[in-house]
Amino acid sequence: GQQVMQIPQYQHVQEGEDFTTYCNSSTTLSNIQWYKQRPGGHPVFLIQLVKSGEVKKQKRLTFQFGEAKKNSSLHITATQTTDVGTYFCAGNTNAGKSTFGDGTTLTVKP
Amino acid sequence: GAVVSQHPSWVICKSGTSVKIECRSLDFQATTMFWYRQFPKQSLMLMATSNEGSKATYEQGVEKDKFLINHASLTLSTLTVTSAHPEDSSFYICSSGQESSYEQYFGPGTRLTVT
Repeated sequence: GQQVMQIPQYQHVQEGEDFTTYCNSSTTLSNIQWYKQRPGGHPVFLIQLVKSGEVKKQKRLTFQFGEAKKNSSLHITATQTTDVGTYFCAGNTNAGKSTFGDGTTLTVKP
Repeated sequence: GAVVSQHPSWVICKSGTSVKIECRSLDFQATTMFWYRQFPKQSLMLMATSNEGSKATYEQGVEKDKFLINHASLTLSTLTVTSAHPEDSSFYICSSGQESSYEQYFGPGTRLTVT
């Protein structure tokens, strides 16, 4: 079945440093979503990528979808303490359900 | 984004009892809702897809007789954990989305503890 792998599992950064998490699928995706889950909270939708090679930005967050539509990345520039949490990617094929990666947990030291 | 509520937010029950968790879409009609289970510091594991007016589709390895799902209306889906055991203790989260989009909007989750 479809597998979605996410690395790294954990990332500790100093406030102000950049952060990147990578998502790789075993199969070609129709689209991919990114979610953020704060400690003790529930996942919150961040963005959806659909097109091959697509790049989207939300303030300090940059999302990319690979040309082959099998990988994606989320990059945060100049992290802040409010960025702490676990970032999940979720890949979708045309079958209509999402497969979540294992998540990358980001901690930011002030 | 869409708003999804979940009730209760936490529940403690004794082994052998059943627990019902409600998931409501507050500002849109949801023909499909998803139920997930999340263990501490782990990813979301899809348990089943709940379809309004029809039987839920369960993922491999999920016992449909133990985790009963009912999606009787376009705004409400329920998950009943029957004959709960301590190993059923977990964080259960529902989600939904609008048609023609894969975006999912999650409820706040229900933390179930079975003693």
